[in-house]
Amino acid sequence: AQSVAQPEDQVNVAEGNPLTVKCTYSVSGNPYLFWYVQYPNRGLQFLLKYITGDNLVKGSYGFEAEFNKSQTSFHLKKPSALVSDSALYFCAVRGNSGGYQKVTFGTGTKLQVIP
Amino acid sequence: DAGVIQSPRHEVTEMGQEVTLRCKPISGHDYLFWYRQTMMRGLELLIYFNNNVPIDDSGMPEDRFSAKMPNASFSTLKIQPSEPRDSAVYFCASSGLFDYGYTFGSGTRLTVV
Repeated sequence: AQSVAQPEDQVNVAEGNPLTVKCTYSVSGNPYLFWYVQYPNRGLQFLLKYITGDNLVKGSYGFEAEFNKSQTSFHLKKPSALVSDSALYFCAVRGNSGGYQKVTFGTGTKLQVIP
Repeated sequence: DAGVIQSPRHEVTEMGQEVTLRCKPISGHDYLFWYRQTMMRGLELLIYFNNNVPIDDSGMPEDRFSAKMPNASFSTLKIQPSEPRDSAVYFCASSGLFDYGYTFGSGTRLTVV
């Protein structure tokens, strides 16, 4: 069975500082990995994905994520946090070992950017 | 495309009443998912459909919950009778066979009093 772990319920960072939201995964075969963001009273919005190729993936709003196969991690990063980045962030994984496999979401990490 | 459309956005109902949530997926998407989000449990997958057929309903909490997809452009999630513990935000999402991720609707915030 595939799974995703987001070890931090909340991450606080000062505006202008770099941010990291952690994610580790478990899946059979090679993974498809995703980050979604949820703003208050909104649905989940796609941020970025890793399918294959370059381990550093760039996404929307200046976010990027680094795929590390040996550590089975896919941490979300941004060089300089904005107050408007404050939201709930979900990491997700999907296996690709044949047949259709649904996406498994993590429990979410609340990012609070402090002015 | 207007994305995944859910209605209503908010629903307040009394305990014991029937509640029906609606979803219109993105045209051409083969998969439709219903999720529930609460502070206590986070994001839970309730059921998903492929080509209008329910594939996995193991996340449906009780027999009070039922979901249908009569055609490729419409799905409903029904709760009968509703209880206060059903209060949550319910999301619908859809995906194409060759898509890698999901597109979510804006959700229905259900409050059962």
